[in-house]
Amino acid sequence: DIVMTQSPDSLTVSLGERATINCKSSQNLLSSSDNKNYLAWYQQKPGQPPRLLIRWASTRESGVPDRLSGSGSGTDFTLTINSLQAEDVAVYYCQQFYSAPLTFGQGTKVEIK
Amino acid sequence: EVQLVESGGGLVQPGGSLRLSCVASGFTFENYWMSWVRQAPGKGLEWVANINKDGSAKYYVGSVKGRFTISRDNAKNSVYLQMNSLRVEDTAIYYCARSQWPEDKWGQGTLLTVSS
Repeated sequence: DIVMTQSPDSLTVSLGERATINCKSSQNLLSSSDNKNYLAWYQQKPGQPPRLLIRWASTRESGVPDRLSGSGSGTDFTLTINSLQAEDVAVYYCQQFYSAPLTFGQGTKVEIK
Repeated sequence: EVQLVESGGGLVQPGGSLRLSCVASGFTFENYWMSWVRQAPGKGLEWVANINKDGSAKYYVGSVKGRFTISRDNAKNSVYLQMNSLRVEDTAIYYCARSQWPEDKWGQGTLLTVSS
């Protein structure tokens, strides 16, 4: 199984500042057949189901603010939240969908300083 | 609007069985893979299983292989998770999700508690 490791486990950032979450995969998630990285990012707020934010490592879903962005390739990926807002307080998960079983990182909790 | 509504959770003794159901609406169900993902209390997300559009392909996480079975009924816009030989560590909120590899729409979840 592919192991996904996020860092840090938690992050405290001031309003308006940048938050950066890293995700490392134990295997390459870049497909040679379509040149896509099979990596997604989710946001989960308390008491709610997860919300898909980004797929293919950097493609934002409809309605996701452009201050959230994904980058990276292969085994190393980053979710960046520019100009952190109060509504961004949540736990963020990366997930590989390259091969079954699909696997998630352990989550990164983002809080306001 | 896409809606996924799970049901069937509850309290079960270790070794027992339960079937979860998920009814979908707002999209053409038969055109999508479907998944179950769980979250133990206060813990992270764990993908459990998925099933392809016609039910001919199924994948499971290792910890549930041989105990859980995912199935679907496209005529009823429903996906199911039959869970046997339940363990205390299966206690979690179980989410049904539409899968486009990854999971793009999620239900609110149903809580399974395995305890004596």
